[in-house]
Amino acid sequence: EAGVTQSPTHLIKTRGQQATLRCSPISGHTSVYWYQQALGLGLQFLLWYDEGEERNRGNFPPRFSGRQFPNYSSELNVNALELEDSALYLCASSWGAWGARIDEQYFGPGTRLTVT
Amino acid sequence: AQKITQTQPGMFVQEKEAVTLDCTYDTSDPSYGLFWYKQPSSGEMIFLIYQGSYDQQNATEGRYSLNFQKARKSANLVISASQLGDSAMYFCAMRGSGGYQKVTFGTGTKLQVIP
Repeated sequence: EAGVTQSPTHLIKTRGQQATLRCSPISGHTSVYWYQQALGLGLQFLLWYDEGEERNRGNFPPRFSGRQFPNYSSELNVNALELEDSALYLCASSWGAWGARIDEQYFGPGTRLTVT
Repeated sequence: AQKITQTQPGMFVQEKEAVTLDCTYDTSDPSYGLFWYKQPSSGEMIFLIYQGSYDQQNATEGRYSLNFQKARKSANLVISASQLGDSAMYFCAMRGSGGYQKVTFGTGTKLQVIP
C-alpha cells in the first residue's frame, strides 16, 4: 500500500511569489491535514480537509489556503511569500473525521520550502 | 482548547538503557486520543503509539509503551532498550473526539542515544 506522497520535495521561491504544494493521501483516506514545521519548532496545524471541505484552520493568515480535490488529494497554496514561511510542510491523511473514532494520522515525507 | 506540553527540549540516554519522554496535556473533551510520533533527521513523521482516553490499559508497541495517568493528565512515552536509531525528535499529540477536532502537537523532545 502506497503511503502519503508529497511534491515537490524541495521548493525554492523568492519573497512575494506564490508556492503550491501537493499531497496525495493513502488510498481510502478522506481526511488530509497540513502542518508547518519551522526550523527548531514543533508542528503547527495549518489546515484540515475532509470530503472536499475545509473542516478546521490553524492560526495562519489568509494567504495560506488550500483545497481538496474529488480524489481526496490536496493542494496548499501560500501567496505573497515571506522569509518566515521557510519551513518543512507536512501533509498527513487519516480515514476520516466523523464520529468518535480516533485514529492516527499518516504523514508524508514533507516539502521543504525555502524563501529567499 | 487543547494543549500539549513537552518540557524536555533535549535528552540523552545510554544505548540499551530505558528512557522516559514527558508529555502533559489539557483538554475539556471527555473523550480524546493521545499519540506519539518520531521524526528522524530525514523529516518524515512516524507514528509510534496511541492511547485512547477510555482505554483501561496502557498502550504498548514493541519497545514503546505509554505511561498514561489520566488524573495527572500525563502521557509519557517509555522507550526500553534504547538503540542508536532511536535518536530523533519525538512529538506528543492529542486529538479530541467528534468532528472538527484538529490534532494538537507538542514542541517535541530531541532524544540522542549515546553508544
